[in-house]
Amino acid sequence: GENVEQHPSTLSVQEGDSAVIKCTYSDSASNYFPWYKQELGKRPQLIIDIRSNVGEKKDQRIAVTLNKTAKHFSLHITETQPEDSAVYFCAASILEYGNKLVFGAGTILRVKS
Amino acid sequence: EAQVTQNPRYLITVTGKKLTVTCSQNMNHEYMSWYRQDPGLGLRQIYYSMNVEVTDKGDVPEGYKVSRKEKRNFPLILESPSPNQTSLYFCASSFNPTNNEKLFFGSGTQLSVL
Repeated sequence: GENVEQHPSTLSVQEGDSAVIKCTYSDSASNYFPWYKQELGKRPQLIIDIRSNVGEKKDQRIAVTLNKTAKHFSLHITETQPEDSAVYFCAASILEYGNKLVFGAGTILRVKS
Repeated sequence: EAQVTQNPRYLITVTGKKLTVTCSQNMNHEYMSWYRQDPGLGLRQIYYSMNVEVTDKGDVPEGYKVSRKEKRNFPLILESPSPNQTSLYFCASSFNPTNNEKLFFGSGTQLSVL
């Protein structure tokens, strides 16, 4: 089955710097890759996703890139702000298998002001 | 307001005492799922349901039961809880599972089994 590895487990950046979180997946059939953000004590919420027919997707300060050949995808946050501090989860799934998302272990991002 | 509602928010129980965590969504979503969140392990799927009366095991189903008798409700049942089921539990739903539409999560249930 699918296995998703996420690095780093913790990341500290200075406010205004960029943050990058990387994930690798094992199943080459995976074709959907969402990222969820979980603030302290809150529920996970979708912040961006990408499908395998696209190499990059941007939404304001957030971008996701996908390398299907290498089976890895990354979350990029530019101009980080204190409110970006949270746990970020990557996930992968196969569209045809329904929403059977396999999540990474999570990255704790701390933005220091 | 569109939402996924879980209850209770916090639960402390003892080994072997049956419990149920309720989950309800008001968005007419077909797909519902339960996850447990443990430090360093991320979110692991327990059970999911593609529609009414259809349920399937996720990655960590042992010790859990679910039912989907109505579209809006998807309770999680622990028949005989054990300490290794101490965890943070999330229910989630989405409209169309085959399109991998956005998952809406409930607010979570922190369960402690003593």
